[in-house]
Amino acid sequence: GENVEQHPSTLSVQEGDSAVIKCTYSDSASNYFPWYKQELGKGPQLIIDIRSNVGEKKDQRIAVTLNKTAKHFSLHITETQPEDSAVYFCATPFYNQGGKLIFGQGTELSVKP
Amino acid sequence: DVKVTQSSRYLVKRTGEKVFLECVQDMDHENMFWYRQDPGLGLRLIYFSYDVKMKEKGDIPEGYSVSREKKERFSLILESASTNQTSMYLCASSLLGTANQPQHFGDGTRLSIL
Repeated sequence: GENVEQHPSTLSVQEGDSAVIKCTYSDSASNYFPWYKQELGKGPQLIIDIRSNVGEKKDQRIAVTLNKTAKHFSLHITETQPEDSAVYFCATPFYNQGGKLIFGQGTELSVKP
Repeated sequence: DVKVTQSSRYLVKRTGEKVFLECVQDMDHENMFWYRQDPGLGLRLIYFSYDVKMKEKGDIPEGYSVSREKKERFSLILESASTNQTSMYLCASSLLGTANQPQHFGDGTRLSIL
């Protein structure tokens, strides 16, 4: 069936370095690509999203890029800080499944001071 | 800011009990969702609702039911709890439309079935 593959499952970086998380999807009709951050003991929070009519979107240290031809999108975090440590999820709707959001498996990011 | 509130952060129940998980949102959202989150499996959709008294099965509805009597409240019911339903349960809401709307999550209920 349709799915979203997210890599890597864990990522450890030094404070100040960049982090990149990538997701690959299979439904060519998908046109909305959100990213969520989940801190320990909390629910996922939307941090950035992109729609298929643009290739890149930035919000301060966070950016998302989209390659519709290759069916992948990526989260980029620059100048990482310890408070960026969390689990990050990508998601996208699958229209042959009624437009439900399908989530990636998650990436545990650890930023070491 | 959208606020999605789940009634319990932690819950411990016994096998065979009927369990109710409650969720309330304050932004007049039409859509509401219940997910369960397990390590290595991400978020899996149990049920969702696009309107009052309306419900649709998600990917893993077996063993669960839902109730939406009012727009702001969406309840998840475990008819006869089993140990394999021990998990983190997350409620979310979004505006009406296709799945192109951001979903807003509560902080989850960690449910243990003994």
